[in-house]
Amino acid sequence: DIQMTQSPSSVSASIGDSVTITCRATQGISSYLAWYQQKPGKAPKLLIYVASKLQSGVPSRFSGSGSGTDFTLTISSLQPEDFGNYYCQQANSFPLTFGPGTKVDVK
Amino acid sequence: EVQLVESGGGLVQPGGSLRLSCTASEFTLSSSWMSWVRQAPGKGLEWVANINEDGSDKYYVDSVKGRFTISRDNAKNSLYLQMNSLRVEDTAVYYCVGWSSSWGGFDPWGQGALVTVSS
Repeated sequence: DIQMTQSPSSVSASIGDSVTITCRATQGISSYLAWYQQKPGKAPKLLIYVASKLQSGVPSRFSGSGSGTDFTLTISSLQPEDFGNYYCQQANSFPLTFGPGTKVDVK
Repeated sequence: EVQLVESGGGLVQPGGSLRLSCTASEFTLSSSWMSWVRQAPGKGLEWVANINEDGSDKYYVDSVKGRFTISRDNAKNSLYLQMNSLRVEDTAVYYCVGWSSSWGGFDPWGQGALVTVSS
């Protein structure tokens, strides 16, 4: 099974800051990686798929990059509505697996 | 607006059974692979099961194999998860989710149904 790790586990940043979250897979997954945002009490929301493609309706301040085993999600100018948990997910093979999540707090 | 709505959650004793349902509106469920993804209280996301468009292909996470069964009724635009031999560790919010076989990710998501396994 492919395991996913994320770092940091939590980050606190100011409005306007750039925030980067890293996701690593235990084996190569090409570009089959997605990122989700989840706010408390809500279902996750797809942000990025195939590592770098922005889902329709997602603000352009979100971007993704990487391939193989190492990936990043960047929020270029943090906004108050960006607080929440962020999860990466490998889409290369079953069982589909998620990273443990990164909590983003807005200072 | 695309909507996936789960129902059937609740409190059940260990060893009991429960059946979750998911109905879709403004979304042609029959044209999509579908999934169940769960989230234990205060924990992260865990994929549970997948089913292809006509129900002939199914995948499960190891921890539910032999206990859970995913199925669908395309005529009713509905997805199901039959959960047997439930354990305390199955306690979670269960999300009905569309799955893209092209890029392997999850979208759209239902609002979730809480399943609590406790004596």
